Amino acid sequence: DAGVIQSPRHEVTEMGQEVTLRCKPISGHDYLFWYRQTMMRGLELLIYFNNNVPIDDSGMPEDRFSAKMPNASFSTLKIQPSEPRDSAVYFCASTPGTANYGYTFGSGTRLTVV
Amino acid sequence: GENVEQHPSTLSVQEGDSAVIKCTYSDSASNYFPWYKQELGKRPQLIIDIRSNVGEKKDQRIAVTLNKTAKHFSLHITETQPEDSAVYFCAASQRWKAAGNKLTFGGGTRVLVKP
Repeated sequence: DAGVIQSPRHEVTEMGQEVTLRCKPISGHDYLFWYRQTMMRGLELLIYFNNNVPIDDSGMPEDRFSAKMPNASFSTLKIQPSEPRDSAVYFCASTPGTANYGYTFGSGTRLTVV
Repeated sequence: GENVEQHPSTLSVQEGDSAVIKCTYSDSASNYFPWYKQELGKRPQLIIDIRSNVGEKKDQRIAVTLNKTAKHFSLHITETQPEDSAVYFCAASQRWKAAGNKLTFGGGTRVLVKP
């Protein structure tokens, strides 16, 4: 299995531009999580899905952030418009809901907004 | 919601010595406590986990203990080696519950093993 796949690995964009981050979870994992990591705030949960349905989006900072999961193998996190304070590493993670496995993280997307 | 506190934030040990990282959690409904290791520029990787029905778990040089009454759990690394240098995160979750299956992380501990 290729693990959780995120793209792009790095993204540099100008303030005000739209940014889309992508994630492919491990096949068969029915939970998908989006985390943001910064030095100041550590690892923060933004939103998570169960069977493609958003369960908890209370961590989404504001309306500029949106996430979708149109099918079991793909999710996107969109920021529009982007701001310099959105600069962070964004991780996607997945896990099966019932089996005795941990949460597997993708390699992350390092976002820099200038 | 769940709140996880982790101490210390940095830990420097001599190679061969032991390292201990402690975490407390607030929600008594949490039942799953994993530990992740994150090397610089890499993803967090699971190193060990423990369920609430177990008090201790060991895997070679690492062990985790859980005190449900006090709501704290600890990571123990024995015979530390330079490759143990990394940031370690504890986390808590209401695993296997649809509405609680999310990981709440502690703030991380930067461990430096000096040769």
